[in-house]
Amino acid sequence: EAQVTQNPRYLITVTGKKLTVTCSQNMNHEYMSWYRQDPGLGLRQIYYSMNVEVTDKGDVPEGYKVSRKEKRNFPLILESPSPNQTSLYFCASSFVGSPYEQYFGPGTRLTVT
Amino acid sequence: ELKVEQNPLFLSMQEGKNYTIYCNYSTTSDRLYWYRQDPGKSLESLFVLLSNGAVKQEGRLMASLDTKARLSTLHITAAVHDLSATYFCAVFPGTYKYIFGTGTRLKVLA
Repeated sequence: EAQVTQNPRYLITVTGKKLTVTCSQNMNHEYMSWYRQDPGLGLRQIYYSMNVEVTDKGDVPEGYKVSRKEKRNFPLILESPSPNQTSLYFCASSFVGSPYEQYFGPGTRLTVT
Repeated sequence: ELKVEQNPLFLSMQEGKNYTIYCNYSTTSDRLYWYRQDPGKSLESLFVLLSNGAVKQEGRLMASLDTKARLSTLHITAAVHDLSATYFCAVFPGTYKYIFGTGTRLKVLA
């Protein structure tokens, strides 16, 4: 089954404790992206990647890091999480080229206390 | 600043009625996406509109795109309870970044 998976699905952590949220897709998509969803703000793009070793900032990259060492994986790293990073995070992927239709993962709900 | 605005933000409507959700965007984009999100769930792709004048229909939902007016509409015909969800539009203005609207929360009342 074609899918985007994220782990963990739920995470409660404390300020400053480094964490990684994994994202993996099995559709051979070149493009992968991370979003955060906050009430009243819709989805905001954090980082995206056009292919292996090619990443770039979205609209809200501060406090986050990513890497793309393999085509199927695009982990999101929070090196020193803060309470304002409490949010619902989605990973998405698509082929590069029209129509750039994205497929979304199930989401990761992160709470930083 | 690149912006995508949806209105209304909240919509409560009776079953059987028609209504339209509007999506205005501030930058040039020749493609526009509509997504549906059920509570606690991920986003599901509804429509991909790729050119000016594009119109797509699926069941009781019809989406259209006017790139000159920078406007897309999502029209709901004879609403049913199952359409209750949050609907997002998004543009992809050629910078490889997606910009989403804030969403329209639709509640269809029996």
